[in-house]
Amino acid sequence: DAGITQSPRHKVTETGTPVTLRCHQTENHRYMYWYRQDPGHGLRLIHYSYGVKDTDKGEVSDGYSVSRSKTEDFLLTLESATSSQTSVYFCAISESQGVGAYEQYFGPGTRLTVT
Amino acid sequence: GNSVTQMEGPVTLSEEAFLTINCTYTATGYPSLFWYVQYPGEGLQLLLKATKADDKGSNKGFEATYRKETTSFHLEKGSVQVSDSAVYFCALRNSGGYQKVTFGIGTKLQVIP
Repeated sequence: DAGITQSPRHKVTETGTPVTLRCHQTENHRYMYWYRQDPGHGLRLIHYSYGVKDTDKGEVSDGYSVSRSKTEDFLLTLESATSSQTSVYFCAISESQGVGAYEQYFGPGTRLTVT
Repeated sequence: GNSVTQMEGPVTLSEEAFLTINCTYTATGYPSLFWYVQYPGEGLQLLLKATKADDKGSNKGFEATYRKETTSFHLEKGSVQVSDSAVYFCALRNSGGYQKVTFGIGTKLQVIP
């Protein structure tokens, strides 16, 4: 199994509070991703990173920011949580991009509830 | 843009039944195709993949063939087990540079003894 951990695994927070989720990898993979999983929507990409301090937006990035100061850590921040951000959040990593079918390896997920 | 279409389910089968989960896609160029599986309470893990037309991916008794003429990548298994109960995601990724992975909505499979 790929070495990916997410913390916390579960969190309940109130509307308007800031929340930071952490993804940590031990694989030294270059690419890291944050997804959210919601019924009827599958997985949707929030942000991704292609190197230290190199990040870009995905399809549902509004209300989220990310940071990557080290290869192994990728942080997702909800600056002011809203109920619509209640979801299960998955981190993923991949070895490379470009030509080839480079699979993504997923973490165990963080269940976030915003009340 | 890219898209992946699969039924949400749930699909309920008896043990040892034949499984088909349909997946069709829309993409430019020549994408790589994947099936991921998610067991309860876990993240997704790769089940199988195919990188070009007519390739067959296989793993753990599951198979899928990359059909470019019908833009499909249907998942099949000849005899399902209770332990196959999970959510199955079809996905695609275009080659070249950074190309994000596009996932289907996931199909929930329930296998009853």
